[in-house]
Amino acid sequence: GAGVSQSPRYKVAKRGQDVALRCDPISGHVSLFWYQQALGQGPEFLTYFQNEAQLDKSGLPSDRFFAERPEGSVSTLKIQRTQQEDSAVYLCASSLETGSGEAFFGQGTRLTVV
Amino acid sequence: KQEVTQIPAALSVPEGENLVLNCSFTDSAIYNLQWFRQDPGKGLTSLLLIQSSQREQTSGRLNASLDKSSGRSTLYIAASQPGDSATYLCAELQNTGKLIFGQGTTLQVKP
Repeated sequence: GAGVSQSPRYKVAKRGQDVALRCDPISGHVSLFWYQQALGQGPEFLTYFQNEAQLDKSGLPSDRFFAERPEGSVSTLKIQRTQQEDSAVYLCASSLETGSGEAFFGQGTRLTVV
Repeated sequence: KQEVTQIPAALSVPEGENLVLNCSFTDSAIYNLQWFRQDPGKGLTSLLLIQSSQREQTSGRLNASLDKSSGRSTLYIAASQPGDSATYLCAELQNTGKLIFGQGTTLQVKP
């Protein structure tokens, strides 16, 4: 596809359930970022990959959050034992270059934990 | 911890009005600053990117300025239109590509 694709678009999870969110970056893009956006707030950084290497995971809010990009392309953000405070939109972005190349965002996955 | 702040949180103006959105940041050594637009249920669209060596960038009816000494950036929208209604986010773009966002300003342009 031409842009960053995220799936599912919407996810409703029961509290305590594990979820997996998928991001397909633009083909050939080296850098991949995950952000969390709570209602009415700006996105907050979660983690960053350069190819398959996770270079920064300082924004992951707890050890229930885990991200991977095993082949340097598709990435998965996994949340274990979901809590209500995990409800948010999860945005993925990719950029062609390392460093401050322009990032392109997907439409996000809206996660609601009930 | 670097922070980015946007005021006001919401703004409503009549069509045709010129307006300014404000952004302040704490990082005096800011690398780059970027303005985004976000429509409901959509991802982010980049509007303008100002490198630290620049003072402003223009695209159509949009003009963004950067003043590192005061820690401020503004987004000027000329002759606003109802289609400009959206949330506008400013973000510090670090040299790793990581973005630090403000809370956003939700703009409504009334016909």
